Amino acid sequence: QSVLTQPPSVSGAPGQRVTISCTGSSSNIGAGYDVHWYQQLPGTAPKLLIYGNINRPSGVPDRFSGSKSGTSASLAITGLQAEDEADYYCQSYDSSLSGSVFGGGTKLTVL
Amino acid sequence: EVQLLESGGGLVQPGGSLRLSCKVSGFTFNNYAMTWVRQAPGKGLEWVSAVTGGGYSTYYADSVKGRFTISRDNSKNTLYLQMNSLRAEDTAVYYCAKDRREGRPYSFDYWGQGSLVTVSS
Repeated sequence: QSVLTQPPSVSGAPGQRVTISCTGSSSNIGAGYDVHWYQQLPGTAPKLLIYGNINRPSGVPDRFSGSKSGTSASLAITGLQAEDEADYYCQSYDSSLSGSVFGGGTKLTVL
Repeated sequence: EVQLLESGGGLVQPGGSLRLSCKVSGFTFNNYAMTWVRQAPGKGLEWVSAVTGGGYSTYYADSVKGRFTISRDNSKNTLYLQMNSLRAEDTAVYYCAKDRREGRPYSFDYWGQGSLVTVSS
């Protein structure tokens, strides 16, 4: 059971918009700690997609965007492309655990 | 170009020990915290441990506390993870990752290719 809760899977057709939620608690997201998002393509290391809730590292397309409100955060992907098919993870810091935590991951399928 | 190269993985018996290394290049090592993340076969990411840039503070997941020790040698640009009392559930690919900041774990902007640790008799 992950500290941060994500839906196991989401799907969408090419060109559509999908969102992935990440729900935490008062000791992590709700405490004001930033949320970060990673994309993991099959057989590869994770890649930072969004940091500090809303910021994209250079090279990440603006089709990817992040938001945060209360004890939850979301990743939105617009203009879905076949190459977006991957696992996505949210991550934050938890003060009760005194360490970082990941969500359980969400598998995105592009139909 | 930032590069992180893990080594030291392999097959070990339950109760045994292993030390992972992560040699980095392309950035000023002591300016950034470093972290270890693992991924069991077919499972999600699990944060394991982190160390601040100067090496003075360390952080551990409850699942490894008391068994694993993270350290760094800033003169050698190398991060380590000493793993003792290994269990079958420690079987995973272990990634080292560079943090965007110097202090407590924040977000991880560069990752190594991963090193497989298998705990089995």
